[in-house]
This record gives sequence, structure tokens and C-alpha cells, in this order.
Amino acid sequence: DVKVTQSSRYLVKRTGEKVFLECVQDMDHENMFWYRQDPGLGLRLIYFSYDVKMKEKGDIPEGYSVSREKKERFSLILESASTNQTSMYLCATERGTGDEKLFFGSGTQLSVL
Amino acid sequence: AQKVTQAQTEISVVEKEDVTLDCVYETRDTTYYLFWYKQPPSGELVFLIRRNSFDEQNEISGRYSWNFQKSTSSFNFTITASQVVDSAVYFCALSEANYGGSQGNLIFGKGTKLSVKP
Repeated sequence: DVKVTQSSRYLVKRTGEKVFLECVQDMDHENMFWYRQDPGLGLRLIYFSYDVKMKEKGDIPEGYSVSREKKERFSLILESASTNQTSMYLCATERGTGDEKLFFGSGTQLSVL
Repeated sequence: AQKVTQAQTEISVVEKEDVTLDCVYETRDTTYYLFWYKQPPSGELVFLIRRNSFDEQNEISGRYSWNFQKSTSSFNFTITASQVVDSAVYFCALSEANYGGSQGNLIFGKGTKLSVKP
């Protein structure tokens, strides 16, 4: 089974801090995604990557950046955390052959105080 | 613009009842994919089904069934004889074929929280 591991289940940070959310997958999937989930809004795509060192903006990239230096790791970066970035962050992977489903991590609940 | 609407925010049923979760979508593309995911209390979304726009055949998998109707732009999900373990948030999602066929760039509905009581 694919394993998608997010480094923290719960994280508390202060406004203005730089925050790194890490996601690691163990099945050599090509594609990786970061979503945020908010009550009443469902899941929204922040950034995604189809290859190492490649990134594409999703629907709500403002205030975020990403890094993919190795195939198995996809990091989401909040350059200067703000309270409106308090949310559940979900990482997902996809094999990348075009007939796909997403595999999700368990999520990181980030609170920005 | 693409959009997925799950009008039912929360549904509560008693075990063994049948329940249908509604999903209505909007897209201008002729080629697209529809999905259902389940999010149990543990938080990890689990894939249930993927259906492409050219296949309107209904699908049944155990107690789960899906009804895809292009005429009404709907992709409804029915659980027959519900069980407590079915309690979760269910998301319907839409993807248009792009980026080499990846379906990861999904548009999600807001989800329906299903509570099945014993």
C-alpha cells in the first residue's frame, strides 16, 4: 500500500513565523499535491508538482510556496504565517500514468495564533 | 467554470437504512472525471470510485452504488443497509483531463457528513 506521511498531525505557530509542512511518499509516485481543508469549503488545491523541481499553482497559492528537491518529498512553506492560514493541510500523491486516484496523508492541523 | 455542489451538508440515519448522497457538477468540457472520496474521523481521505464522462453505466460495489446521469449532471452515491462504520464525510470531486491525464487537480464539493446511528 502507498504510504503518504505528513510530518506533524498538529502544529501550533505564531503569526509571522515561517512554517514548513513536510510530506513524504514511499511508492515512487510522480505527482504530489497540497490541499487545504476548511469547514464548509471542502478541499482546495494550493500547489502541485508533476516532477522534481517542478511546481504549478493551484487555486489558492497566495501566501504559500513549495519545494520538491527529491521525488519522494514535497514541502509546503508558509513564508510568514497568518491567522487565516489556520487550517487542515492534506498532502496527496498520484502515480502519474493518467488513470489515477489520489492517495492522501492523514493531514496536519495547523493553528496560527 | 467547474463546480461541484453537494447540497446536503449533514445526513443522519439509523443503521440498516439506505441513504443517497447527492452530487451535481458543472463543466464545459466533454471529457472529465468524477470521483467520490470518503473521509473517516481519522482524517485520511480514501478513494471510492472514479468515473469518466463517457461511461454512464451505474456501478455497484457491495453496499455502495453510484448513479451517473449526464442529462442532469449528477453523480449520486447510495449506501444500502448503512452501518455505523459508514459514518464519515463524503466528498464528490471533478477533474478535467489535462496535464498529461492527471486527475489530481480536483475540484471538490464541500462534503456531506453522514452519521449512522446504531
